[in-house]
Amino acid sequence: EVQLLESGGGLVQPGGSLRLSCTASGFTFSSYAMSWVRQAPGKGLEWVSVISGSGGTIYYADSVKGRSTISRDNSKNTVYLQMNSLRAEDMAVYYCAKERIILGASHFDYWGQGTLVTVSS
Amino acid sequence: DIQMTQSPSTLSASVGDRVSITCRASQSISSWLAWYQQKPGKAPKLLIYKASSLESGVPSRFSGSGSGTEFTLTISSLQPDDFATYYCQQYNSYSLTFGGGTKVEIK
Repeated sequence: EVQLLESGGGLVQPGGSLRLSCTASGFTFSSYAMSWVRQAPGKGLEWVSVISGSGGTIYYADSVKGRSTISRDNSKNTVYLQMNSLRAEDMAVYYCAKERIILGASHFDYWGQGTLVTVSS
Repeated sequence: DIQMTQSPSTLSASVGDRVSITCRASQSISSWLAWYQQKPGKAPKLLIYKASSLESGVPSRFSGSGSGTEFTLTISSLQPDDFATYYCQQYNSYSLTFGGGTKVEIK
């Protein structure tokens, strides 16, 4: 059974930093790209970033580019999202999601339960 | 980036109704479109991929159609468990983008 478990969310002041983690199980982690998708309170879904299975290909949404870094440790089946210079508009539930297609852009066949990031002074 | 526009944003319907949700892309995305269902406090669930392929385990009352720039999600006979918010997502290219969502409410 595929499972994705996020952690690392919490309360952070504007301008602060946070590192989110997502630990996966139930599939060959290193074969699949992993994305972070966020959802602000009462709003829709927004894709944030993706990292390929090898870690060699990375993309970011313009809204987080230059402030966030995605990485993965295939020995730990874990993907990370380091977020810096956090703003009020970054407040959201952050989901990690497994992409189904191995090469190229994909849809998401599995999602974690989400971790809440609150940005407030 | 490719923009995805969903309509309507809210839909009121009764159990047993046939409902359709439309998603339009700002440029052609071939058939690289997925549909998700999300209930309050839960992660999205994949329903349809490649515009019309039904995800395993999803009831056959859900169907998808379209290609290019216009797509439709249809629920043939709305069931109590189907009241939720639905999102489309294009995966023609990065940045991946979602539609704004359609909330299906009880009439």
